[in-house]
Amino acid sequence: KNEVEQSPQNLTAQEGEFITINCSYSVGISALHWLQQHPGGGIVSLFMLSSGKKKHGRLIATINIQEKHSSLHITASHPRDSAVYICASNFGNEKLTFGTGTRLTIIP
Amino acid sequence: DGGITQSPKYLFRKEGQNVTLSCEQNLNHDAMYWYRQDPGQGLRLIYYSQIVNDFQKGDIAEGYSVSREKKESFPLTVTSAQKNPTAFYLCASSIQYQETQYFGPGTRLLVL
Repeated sequence: KNEVEQSPQNLTAQEGEFITINCSYSVGISALHWLQQHPGGGIVSLFMLSSGKKKHGRLIATINIQEKHSSLHITASHPRDSAVYICASNFGNEKLTFGTGTRLTIIP
Repeated sequence: DGGITQSPKYLFRKEGQNVTLSCEQNLNHDAMYWYRQDPGQGLRLIYYSQIVNDFQKGDIAEGYSVSREKKESFPLTVTSAQKNPTAFYLCASSIQYQETQYFGPGTRLLVL
């Protein structure tokens, strides 16, 4: 059974800091997803990756298949980045397994 | 504008009552999903549909029912058999099963 763990659970940082959120999973995967949940509850898919690295604006997602680990980085963090960040993974045609999320707060 | 919509935003259920949550998408996506979110827990899959007129149970289907009569619509009914329905319900769709999912704004269900 796949299990997904995120760390830290909560993260508070000053505006401008470099942010790293970690995700570990227990079984081999087909894809790893990073999602962002805003305070109102809406969820946006940020990345879907199965190897290497992807970048979109100030967000970078990396994955290490051998170590079963992925990281989400935010450069030059801003208060509008404050949200819950969720990772999820799946293997083959199995359903996505979601982590419990990392609550990020960026202080001006 | 293409997107996925859910209604209502808030829904109140009385004891013994069935309620239906609406989910509509105009993205021409084949796959649709219903998730439940409880505080401190990851999203849990209730039902999913890979294509119109077909759907499968997820991890926590008991007390819920769905239909997929149209590609655009995937309503979720919370029946009286669901003893703990208070939660945040999210609908999502993807162009194909297991591709990147697009989420609706969610419906918060409360029991009176």
